[in-house]
Amino acid sequence: NAGVMQNPRHLVRRRGQEARLRCSPMKGHSHVYWYRQLPEEGLKFMVYLQKENIIDESGMPKERFSAEFPKEGPSILRIQQVVRGDSAAYFCASSPSGTGSFGETQYFGPGTRLLVL
Amino acid sequence: GDSVTQMEGPVTLSEEAFLTINCTYTATGYPSLFWYVQYPGEGLQLLLKATKADDKGSNKGFEATYRKETTSFHLEKGSVQVSDSAVYFCALSGPRNNRLAFGKGNQVVVIP
Repeated sequence: NAGVMQNPRHLVRRRGQEARLRCSPMKGHSHVYWYRQLPEEGLKFMVYLQKENIIDESGMPKERFSAEFPKEGPSILRIQQVVRGDSAAYFCASSPSGTGSFGETQYFGPGTRLLVL
Repeated sequence: GDSVTQMEGPVTLSEEAFLTINCTYTATGYPSLFWYVQYPGEGLQLLLKATKADDKGSNKGFEATYRKETTSFHLEKGSVQVSDSAVYFCALSGPRNNRLAFGKGNQVVVIP
């Protein structure tokens, strides 16, 4: 059973360009989470999605960032007009049913390391 | 809001030494608690978890006990190996949401 897949693994963008990060959840998982890891810091929650729905976006910056999880295809985290402060590792996780209150495990992908020049 | 605090700084120890990494939390209600491990250049892997008070999670020689009275979930291993060198993150998920709140992580370096 393939794990969570993310691509690209490394992405270099110049300031002002757009970055698109893709995440394919584990087979059978319909819940996707995005986290950002800034240098020397832990992971910070960004957004939680189910198919075609954003459930919790309380951790998303108000501008330039958006996320989607269409009925078909991977989840996409989109960053418009990137700035140097967006340089970080972005991790996607998935879970089968989203019942976090019962300690459901989230399975993480290898991450996309974004570098903004 | 929910938060997790890990002890400051990296941990360097010799092979076969005893490892403890402290983790305390603040949460509304009764969260689930996790330890994740991150090897260089990789994503996070679940190491162990506990979902209610007094539960002990264990895996690969690592253990942690959910202590409600001290709001703690300290990670321990009796005899570390070089292959245990990694960054360890304590995390929680609250009873009313699905998002994980992470501590800052501790770099563990085991010297042969």
